[in-house]
Amino acid sequence: GAVVSQHPSRVICKSGTSVKIECRSLDFQATTMFWYRQFPKKSLMLMATSNEGSKATYEQGVEKDKFLINHASLTLSTLTVTSAHPEDSSFYICSALEGSGAQGEAQHFGDGTRLSIL
Amino acid sequence: KQEVTQIPAALSVPEGENLVLNCSFTDSAIYNLQWFRQDPGKGLTSLLLIQSSQREQTSGRLNASLDKSSGRSTLYIAASQPGDSATYLCAVSSQGGSEKLVFGKGTKLTVNP
Repeated sequence: GAVVSQHPSRVICKSGTSVKIECRSLDFQATTMFWYRQFPKKSLMLMATSNEGSKATYEQGVEKDKFLINHASLTLSTLTVTSAHPEDSSFYICSALEGSGAQGEAQHFGDGTRLSIL
Repeated sequence: KQEVTQIPAALSVPEGENLVLNCSFTDSAIYNLQWFRQDPGKGLTSLLLIQSSQREQTSGRLNASLDKSSGRSTLYIAASQPGDSATYLCAVSSQGGSEKLVFGKGTKLTVNP
């Protein structure tokens, strides 16, 4: 089946550090990937849609200069949390769309990254 | 704006019991609905995907139904096992070619041996 690999699984760093999270589709090409954020006991919230070769589309309220997304190939998207602060601590999950989405295909999710900013 | 609600928020059952998890959504114009499983500190595992034109999907001990007109879906788990303990999330994808998923807060299931 379709596998999405997300690294690192956990990051603990000091305030002011920039953190990069990678999301890879291992056995399929993904034109579109998604980045979500999950707070404890809350729903997953879509942060942005990452499209290969073009700029990401950010959801309302998400700072694009704070959360930099790069989707340079059909198998890799990266999320960089710039100058991270304690309020950025959260669980970040990526997903990759197998296909164009026009047929309602499933999204495949990575295992998530637990980010803790001290 | 699409909103997804899952009831109950938590459920504890003895092993072997059959159970039903509920999901409701406010906008019936959906493309598909997915049920996911999330273990603590982990990502999501897709369990079942129901297209808007379908009424149900089955996989092993799991059966998901969809009533688009009433904005409801149920996930039925037969003969529950301790290994089924996890949080179950429901998500809908809106029509119009959008792949965006809107998630519920989930139901935390505990199956006691």
